[in-house]
Amino acid sequence: AQSVTQPDIHITVSEGASLELRCNYSYGATPYLFWYVQSPGQGLQLLLKYFSGDTLVQGIKGFEAEFKRSQSSFNLRKPSVHWSDAAEYFCAVGVNYGGSQGNLIFGKGTKLSVKP
Amino acid sequence: GAGVSQSPRYKVAKRGQDVALRCDPISGHVSLFWYQQALGQGPEFLTYFQNEAQLDKSGLPSDRFFAERPEGSVSTLKIQRTQQEDSAVYLCASSPSLTLPGPQHFGDGTRLSIL
Repeated sequence: AQSVTQPDIHITVSEGASLELRCNYSYGATPYLFWYVQSPGQGLQLLLKYFSGDTLVQGIKGFEAEFKRSQSSFNLRKPSVHWSDAAEYFCAVGVNYGGSQGNLIFGKGTKLSVKP
Repeated sequence: GAGVSQSPRYKVAKRGQDVALRCDPISGHVSLFWYQQALGQGPEFLTYFQNEAQLDKSGLPSDRFFAERPEGSVSTLKIQRTQQEDSAVYLCASSPSLTLPGPQHFGDGTRLSIL
């Protein structure tokens, strides 16, 4: 069965420090991978996506993620965190029903706190 | 350039009441999804529409949950005889994609509290 694991429930980093949020997936075919961010009381905003091709993908707000098939991972990184990055981050895999659109399967999320 | 709009933003109902949650997707988006997000959890899939056709409702937790999208645009999620475990944020997402999992655009959700 498809699944997404985010091992870290809560991470605290200092402003200006680098960030890496971990994501592991289980999916039988070529995965379509996403990172979303959710601020309190808000919906989810797409940070970046991986469909195919270059395994290092760039997103909005200075985020990037690297797809590693051998490790079934899609970790999110940012070289220098800003206080406004404090939010909850969700990794998701898109289900592909034989070429047709399918739903997203989300991890449980990682809450990021930023220390001044 | 409006995004996905959901109403109401907050809904409080007594146990046993029926509720209806509305989703207005981005214009022209053919795919529409409903997700349920419990406190401290990631969103979980409920149901999927392609235009007016409900192609997948495998995530609906019980027959008390019903969704429709009669004209292929606005969608309504209805919960009958609500129970306390229905308390959650209900998120709607739309996507222009028909094939392959495309990026989904989310509304701000409806926070449902059942007393």
